[in-house]
Amino acid sequence: NAGVTQTPKFQVLKTGQSMTLQCAQDMNHEYMSWYRQDPGMGLRLIHYSVGAGITDQGEVPNGYNVSRSTTEDFPLRLLSAAPSQTSVYFCASSWREETYEQYFGPGTRLTVT
Amino acid sequence: GIQVEQSPPDLILQEGANSTLRCNFSDSVNNLQWFHQNPWGQLINLFYIPSGTKQNGRLSATTVATERYSLLYISSSQTTDSGVYFCAVSFLGGGADGLTFGKGTHLIIQP
Repeated sequence: NAGVTQTPKFQVLKTGQSMTLQCAQDMNHEYMSWYRQDPGMGLRLIHYSVGAGITDQGEVPNGYNVSRSTTEDFPLRLLSAAPSQTSVYFCASSWREETYEQYFGPGTRLTVT
Repeated sequence: GIQVEQSPPDLILQEGANSTLRCNFSDSVNNLQWFHQNPWGQLINLFYIPSGTKQNGRLSATTVATERYSLLYISSSQTTDSGVYFCAVSFLGGGADGLTFGKGTHLIIQP
């Protein structure tokens, strides 16, 4: 299994540009989520999903959209990038029973100039 | 929302030392996990431990849910233990509502 994969690894955007961060998992996990990590901070929840077609907002959802059309994929869209969205973005997934441990992707480092 | 506080924020130890990291949380939770973020940024799940005690090699963790805290013990530290240790919690048992993270304990193990 590849686990949780994220693309791209690095990205530089100009203010106002849009882009999609990709996240995929091959473990048949039902739960998926997006976090951002800023220097000196823990991770903060952006959006999460409990299954295909179901998403909800986390602590810091403004400026981001998500959709979940399949169990495997959970893309994060930045509609109009702002410098405040400069961060490292992590995608995570977990199974809904038994173990519950969250597995994280390697992260995407995004810089908005 | 749930508040998570971790202590100490920074810890510098010599190789071979033992350490205890603490996580306090403000409300009842059904999901508590410990993670290690290595110097390359990768987050690794160490324990899923909403209550009780677990051990994995040199690491062990204890959660006292009724008193709203968890402890992570690292024995005989190695330089590869360096990094940031995060505690994360959620109200729902499966973590379906996402996790709330503490700010972490930055651990440096010196040779």
